[in-house]
Amino acid sequence: AQTVTQSQPEMSVQEAETVTLSCTYDTSESDYYLFWYKQPPSRQMILVIRQEAYKQQNATENRFSVNFQKAAKSFSLKISDSQLGDAAMYFCAYRSPNAGGTSYGKLTFGQGTILTVHP
Amino acid sequence: NAGVTQTPKFQVLKTGQSMTLQCAQDMNHEYMSWYRQDPGMGLRLIHYSVGAGITDQGEVPNGYNVSRSTTEDFPLRLLSAAPSQTSVYFCASSLTPGQMNTEAFFGQGTRLTVV
Repeated sequence: AQTVTQSQPEMSVQEAETVTLSCTYDTSESDYYLFWYKQPPSRQMILVIRQEAYKQQNATENRFSVNFQKAAKSFSLKISDSQLGDAAMYFCAYRSPNAGGTSYGKLTFGQGTILTVHP
Repeated sequence: NAGVTQTPKFQVLKTGQSMTLQCAQDMNHEYMSWYRQDPGMGLRLIHYSVGAGITDQGEVPNGYNVSRSTTEDFPLRLLSAAPSQTSVYFCASSLTPGQMNTEAFFGQGTRLTVV
């Protein structure tokens, strides 16, 4: 079974600075998807960025980018020019297109990282 | 753009009571799922459905039932609430997992407390 580990329970950053959130995962598959979701205090789960494992190029979405290291099974999220609105819990998640049974379509989540942004 | 609509947002139940969490999506997604979120554990899959009339268990299904009579709706039923079911519940929908752009869209969550 796949596992996702976020080793940083909490992180903090000054406004306008850059912060990197870590995520590692364990899988024996070669084809999969990785996601970062943001959960602000409103509880809403918001997709931040997505990476397909077969793509070598790191995904970027405005101020958000990832460092995808497939061999190392690492998927970190970099937030540049941090803003107060970036404060939230961030979840890394893995999804397999091939899993079956009780894992079909399942998103496997890490434990989450709480990001605080200081003005 | 309604997306995924989940109700209620908050609920308090007494042990042994039953209730249904409602979930509806308007994106014509085939795949729908329910997760529970507990501190330090991320989100865990309870049940899922790959289309109307088809449901299956996820990794933590005990104490929960689901049905899928239409593409749009996927309610979650707690038959006899227990304090261990105190959690935040999320409904999510997506295209069939094997397809591209398969990110999940989530409802706003339900904070359930069982006393």
